[in-house]
Amino acid sequence: QVTLKESGPVLVKPTETLTLTCTVSGFSVNKARFGVSWIRQPPGKALEWLGHMFSSDEKSYPTSLKSRLSISKGTSENLVVLTMTDMDPEDTGTYYCARIFRGSGWSFDFDVWGQGALVTVSS
Amino acid sequence: DILMTQSPSSLSASVGDRVTITCRASQSIAGYLNWYQQRPGKAPKLLIFGASTLQSGVPSRFSGSGSGTDFTLTINSLQPEDFATYHCQQSYNTPLTFGGGTKVEIK
Repeated sequence: QVTLKESGPVLVKPTETLTLTCTVSGFSVNKARFGVSWIRQPPGKALEWLGHMFSSDEKSYPTSLKSRLSISKGTSENLVVLTMTDMDPEDTGTYYCARIFRGSGWSFDFDVWGQGALVTVSS
Repeated sequence: DILMTQSPSSLSASVGDRVTITCRASQSIAGYLNWYQQRPGKAPKLLIFGASTLQSGVPSRFSGSGSGTDFTLTINSLQPEDFATYHCQQSYNTPLTFGGGTKVEIK
């Protein structure tokens, strides 16, 4: 069974760095088909893709947030870490990690999701 | 960035109704369009990938169609568990982008 679970702080102060960990089981992050993506959702708003990794040398981020984001492998093979610098109250929301499946052509879909972690940015 | 626009943003329907949700891309994305269902307080769940292929385990009352810039998600015979928010997402180009969501409420 494939599962993902986010963990990390529920409250961060403005200008601080957010570090969230995604613990995965039931699959391996590899170059071929499966990676891990981070997606966030401000309260009552749309989903926003924050990036993904298929391997240490295959990562992608949205240009608008690239300078603040980093996705990396954790200390063990089943951990993927999201780091987001210079947090602002507008970054408040639920942060999800999801398995990203690479299909044929340009097909990428998020086929299994974690439960999400609510992060509030406030002083 | 490819902008995804969903309509309507919300709708009211009754159990047994047929519901259609539209997603429009700001440029052609061929068939690289996915649909997700998100129940209140829960994570999204993949329903359809590649515009029309049902994810394993998803009931056959859900269907998707379209290509290029215009796509639809249809739910035949709406069930109580289908009241949720539906999101479209394109994977033709990065950044991967989502529509604003369509909330399906009980009439």
